[in-house]
Amino acid sequence: DVVMTQSPLSLPVTLGQPASISCRSSQSLVYSDGNTFLNWFQQRPGQSPRRLIYKVSNRDSGVPDRFSGSGSGTDFTLRISRVEAEDVGVYYCMQGTHWPLTFGGGTKVEIK
Amino acid sequence: QVQLVQSGAEVKKPGASVKVSCKASGYTFSSYVMHWVRQAPGQRLEWVGWIDAGNGNPRYSQKFQGRITITRDTSASTVYMELSSLRSEDTAVYYCARNPADVWGQGTTVTVSS
Repeated sequence: DVVMTQSPLSLPVTLGQPASISCRSSQSLVYSDGNTFLNWFQQRPGQSPRRLIYKVSNRDSGVPDRFSGSGSGTDFTLRISRVEAEDVGVYYCMQGTHWPLTFGGGTKVEIK
Repeated sequence: QVQLVQSGAEVKKPGASVKVSCKASGYTFSSYVMHWVRQAPGQRLEWVGWIDAGNGNPRYSQKFQGRITITRDTSASTVYMELSSLRSEDTAVYYCARNPADVWGQGTTVTVSS
């Protein structure tokens, strides 16, 4: 199985400051059709996961533009340009290129 | 709007089976694959399996092969996940999610305890 490794485990951030989460995969996530199936999810306390970003850098409808995704191959990043209080939660990356689908271990974003 | 509504919490004894449902609305049910993902306490999200709601073909994570059955009822726009031979390690919140994971159910807590 493809192992997804996220860092850091915990990310205390001051309101209004940027935040960055890294996700590395044990194999390239480029599919045979050229697509890279790397998604980012936000899970607020007590809620279901919510997809924020799909195929590395595409923001889902309704997701604020302070969220952005980048990367290629095995190395990916989720950035929040200015953290707001509602961004508190756990963020997961997930790969859908290889069987079975696998998730990162999560990064907990909290306010300092 | 697109919505997935799951059945309620379950408490089961070790060795028993559990069947969780996921009712879809707001879209053409048979046009999408439905995933099942679980989250054990303090653990990362774990993909369990999926079903093509159109042709009914399931695919399971190797970890659950032999213990899991995913089915669907197109007339009810509902997908079911049944897990048998339950053990304490199966205690988790189970989610259904429409492919490509853009819509999730509210989760169903399954507790396995003697």
